[in-house]
Amino acid sequence: DAGVTQSPTHLIKTRGQHVTLRCSPISGHKSVSWYQQVLGQGPQFIFQYYEKEERGRGNFPDRFSARQFPNYSSELNVNALLLGDSALYLCASSLTAFDDYTFGSGTRLTVV
Amino acid sequence: GQNIDQPTEMTATEGAIVQINCTYQTSGFNGLFWYQQHAGEAPTFLSYNVLDGLEEKGRFSSFLSRSKGYSYLLLKELQMKDSASYLCAVRGSGAGSYQLTFGKGTKLSVIP
Repeated sequence: DAGVTQSPTHLIKTRGQHVTLRCSPISGHKSVSWYQQVLGQGPQFIFQYYEKEERGRGNFPDRFSARQFPNYSSELNVNALLLGDSALYLCASSLTAFDDYTFGSGTRLTVV
Repeated sequence: GQNIDQPTEMTATEGAIVQINCTYQTSGFNGLFWYQQHAGEAPTFLSYNVLDGLEEKGRFSSFLSRSKGYSYLLLKELQMKDSASYLCAVRGSGAGSYQLTFGKGTKLSVIP
C-alpha cells in the first residue's frame, strides 16, 4: 500500500520565483495538511484541507496558498520566494481532519 | 496561543532507559502526540494521549498530566536506532483543532 507521496523531493529556486509542491495522500484518506520545517525546528502548520475545503490556516503570508483536488491530492503554492522560505515542506495525510498523521518524506526547497 | 517546551538534546547509553519531557501552555487542548524523526526523514507517529495517564506501546510509553500541562516519552532498552529527534505536538481546540503545534524537538543520541 503506497504511503504519502510528495514531489519533487528536492528543489532549488531563485528569489522571487514561484513554486508548486505536490502531495498524494494514502488511499482512503480525505485530509491533507501542510507543514514547514526549518532546520533544527519542529514542523510549523501551514494549511489543512479536508474534503476539498480549507479547514485551517497557520500564520503564513498570503504568498502561500493551497488546494485539494477531487481525488484528495493537494498542491502547495508559494509565490515571490524569499530566502527564508528554504525549508523541508511536509505533507501529512489523515483519515479525517482529527486523526493522527502519516507524513510524506517531504520536499526540500532551497531558495538562492 | 500555544507554547511547547522540550529539552534540545539528550544523550543516553544503549540498553538504558531515557525520559523526554514536554511541557505545554495552550489556549485549548485536544490531545498530545509524540513523533520520532530520523535525520533527513519524515516524522513517524509514536503515541497519542488525550486523557491523563500512561499509554504503553512496546518499548515506548507516554504519560500525560493535563492539569500540569506535562507529558513525557519513556524509551526502554535503548537501541542505537533510537538515535533521532523526538517531537512533542499538541492539538488545540475550536479553530485550533485542525492543526498540531510542535515543539522544537529533542535530539536523542544513543551511545554504546
